[in-house]
Parts: sequence; C-alpha cells; structure tokens
Amino acid sequence: DAGVIQSPRHEVTEMGQEVTLRCKPISGHNSLFWYRQTMMRGLELLIYFNNNVPIDDSGMPEDRFSAKMPNASFSTLKIQPSEPRDSAVYFCASSLGGTTAEAFFGQGTRLTVV
Amino acid sequence: TQLLEQSPQFLSIQEGENLTVYCNSSSVFSSLQWYRQEPGEGPVLLVTVVTGGEVKKLKRLTFQFGDARKDSSLHITAAQPGDTGLYLCAGEGGNKLVFGAGTILRVKS
Repeated sequence: DAGVIQSPRHEVTEMGQEVTLRCKPISGHNSLFWYRQTMMRGLELLIYFNNNVPIDDSGMPEDRFSAKMPNASFSTLKIQPSEPRDSAVYFCASSLGGTTAEAFFGQGTRLTVV
Repeated sequence: TQLLEQSPQFLSIQEGENLTVYCNSSSVFSSLQWYRQEPGEGPVLLVTVVTGGEVKKLKRLTFQFGDARKDSSLHITAAQPGDTGLYLCAGEGGNKLVFGAGTILRVKS
C-alpha cells in the first residue's frame, strides 16, 4: 500500500485566494483526520470523519475552513479566503477505527499564504 | 480542554548518551501514544500504552505510562544519530487524540 497520499506537497498562494488540499487515505481505513502543525501551536486536530461522515469539526478554526469526504477514498480541506496566518503544514491521517487506533499520516502539505 | 505538556522542548546530546523525555497532563487519558516525526514527513507511531503503570520496550526505547494515566515518559538508551527527530505524545480523551507540542531531539555523532 502506498500509504496516505496528500497533494500538493507545497502550496504558495496569495492572501484572499482559495486553497484546496487533497487526501487519499489508506484503502480499508474508515477514519480520516485533518491536522494542522505550526511551531507555535503544535499539531492540532481540525476535523475527523468516520465512514465518510464528519464526527467532530470543533477544531476547524473559522468558517473559512471546510472539509468534505465524498467517498471512502478521497477528502478535501478547503480554505476560502486564505490568510497569512493559515500558513502551516497540513496533515491528513487515516486509521482503522476511532481516535485511538494507530493513525497513519501523509507527508503533509506545506501551505504558505503571502 | 485536555492539554499535554512535553519536556524538554529541545534536547541536544552526543551519540551514546541516555535521555528521558516527559509527557504530563492534569487529565486522565484512556491511552497514550508516542510518535516520532522526521523533517518533511508525517508522525509515525512508536507505541501505544493503555494500562496505568505499563512499561513497553522497543529496542533501545522504553515507554512508561503513569499509574494514574496522566503522564508518560520515553527513555532512550545509548542514543544514535538515527534517533534524531520530533517526539510527540498523544492522549486519547473525550473521543479525541490530543497531541503535545513535542520534544525536538538532536543526537550528534
């Protein structure tokens, strides 16, 4: 298995633009997580899905952030409009079940908003 | 909000030395996981501890879960340059996995 695949690996965009991050979880995993990592705040859980359904989105910072999981093999995290303070590394992770099973992380998308 | 505090934040040691990093909270966790993250990569799970007082060993790494399930430690014996990375603890509570800020370990040869 190729593991969790995220795209793009790097994204540089101007303030105000829409940004879409993509994730393909490991086949067979039924839980998917989006995290954001910064030096100041560490690794923060933004949202997680179980069986394609959003279970907890309390970590989503603002209405500018939205996430979808239209099927078991694909998820997106969208920021519209983007702001410089959104600059961070965004990770997608998947697991076989719930929040305590081993989470397998993708390589992340490094987002820079200028 | 459940918080996990990790210490030290940064550790730089010579190859062959021993070290311990800590993960502390005022909250009780059902389980606790330790991950290692290398630059440009996502975190990778090292171990999960579930029972208070549990000790797990992974080669030169020894993990311990506190009796009250509020804290944990990671001890590395005879550190090697390959151990360099960011060590993260994560606790399961309130149906969420909460991560600490991590300890950056640098092992010099």
